[in-house]
Amino acid sequence: AQSVTQPDIHITVSEGASLELRCNYSYGATPYLFWYVQSPGQGLQLLLKYFSGDTLVQGIKGFEAEFKRSQSSFNLRKPSVHWSDAAEYFCAVVGGSYIPTFGRGTSLIVHP
Amino acid sequence: GAGVSQSPSNKVTEKGKDVELRCDPISGHTALYWYRQSLGQGLEFLIYFQGNSAPDKSGLPSDRFSAERTGGSVSTLTIQRTQQEDSAVYLCASSPGERSEGETQYFGPGTRLLVL
Repeated sequence: AQSVTQPDIHITVSEGASLELRCNYSYGATPYLFWYVQSPGQGLQLLLKYFSGDTLVQGIKGFEAEFKRSQSSFNLRKPSVHWSDAAEYFCAVVGGSYIPTFGRGTSLIVHP
Repeated sequence: GAGVSQSPSNKVTEKGKDVELRCDPISGHTALYWYRQSLGQGLEFLIYFQGNSAPDKSGLPSDRFSAERTGGSVSTLTIQRTQQEDSAVYLCASSPGERSEGETQYFGPGTRLLVL
């Protein structure tokens, strides 16, 4: 079975500051890993995904994530946050089936 | 190009009534997923379609929930005898269905269901 943990329910940062959102997964092999973003009243949109190869993955909107097998982590980062990045962020894992398991989400609040 | 659409966008119903939620996936996508998102919770998987068949119904929370898909396209999620705990946002997603576990899912905006 696969599982995902997003330990931070809320994260507050100032505009222009750097950001790191944590994601830890549990799966017996190397899974497929995703980050999605959900703006208020919207569905989820893919930011980036990891399949294999280079462990540092670049995504849209200036986001990146690094897969660390030894830590079972796939943390999302952005060097400088914009007010428009305020949203809910979901990490997801797929392994052994076509059904992703989503984390509970991290709500990002951006202060001006 | 059109994305995934869902209707209605909002639905208010009385306890005990039946509701139908509709999902129009991206044209050509053979895989379709339904999720439930409750306040402060992640996405709870409900059901997965590959074409018109549902190989995985394991997430349906009770026999009051059912779903069908016709013509490999539109899907309807039906909740019978609604309860207040059914209040949530119901999200639909589709993917190309090329039998790749790493497929990106494309989400609709969701239907907000409120059961009074």
